[in-house]
Amino acid sequence: ETGVTQTPRHLVMGMTNKKSLKCEQHLGHNAMYWYKQSAKKPLELMFVYNFKEQTENNSVPSRFSPECPNSSHLFLHLHTLQPEDSALYLCASSDGLAGVLYDTQYFGPGTRLTVL
Amino acid sequence: DQQVKQNSPSLSVQEGRISILNCDYTNSMFDYFLWYKKYPAEGPTFLISISSIKDKNEDGRFTVFLNKSAKHLSLHIVPSQPGDSAVYFCAAKATQGGSEKLVFGKGTKLTVNP
Repeated sequence: ETGVTQTPRHLVMGMTNKKSLKCEQHLGHNAMYWYKQSAKKPLELMFVYNFKEQTENNSVPSRFSPECPNSSHLFLHLHTLQPEDSALYLCASSDGLAGVLYDTQYFGPGTRLTVL
Repeated sequence: DQQVKQNSPSLSVQEGRISILNCDYTNSMFDYFLWYKKYPAEGPTFLISISSIKDKNEDGRFTVFLNKSAKHLSLHIVPSQPGDSAVYFCAAKATQGGSEKLVFGKGTKLTVNP
């Protein structure tokens, strides 16, 4: 596997379910990101992890809970979501080396989430 | 309020001609800009970037122009090819202050007709 992979690619869940999205990067990067893309809206940054530490939480509701056990894996735990949370969730990674702010982000294919 | 705007949701050009995709931004702190391309069922792919110390960056058929005074950037693709048909996202970042946050536009869907 190369690049950034995400599983599952599609997920349908009820409002009372608990599910998790998984992201794995095979690029040796140190920074990982979760983005949300809703219909007709720009990509919105949700969380940033750099060297496994969360460095940014973009005012995301607590029903979304990220976890970064190591630099290669990133999870997004979902609990009691709302129908308006239905969207494409994209994971990305970048070098994230300290002081390097011009690094390029590489995206996974995304998980298409539908909340019923 | 959107800080990065791509006012044209779609653009259609003939193969071999030039495609020009436009992007405007409002935040004067933005000093690094990127273009991403996205095919259906795939994540965005990095295409080209430009720092605010430059006004032009070229990579093969792709050139990005930056007009800081107008807070405007554009992506030129010449000659356009049918394989360039995709959604193009403009993104911006304010590197001073250490933020890793990229702000994206809504995207422009480019169709290159054979």
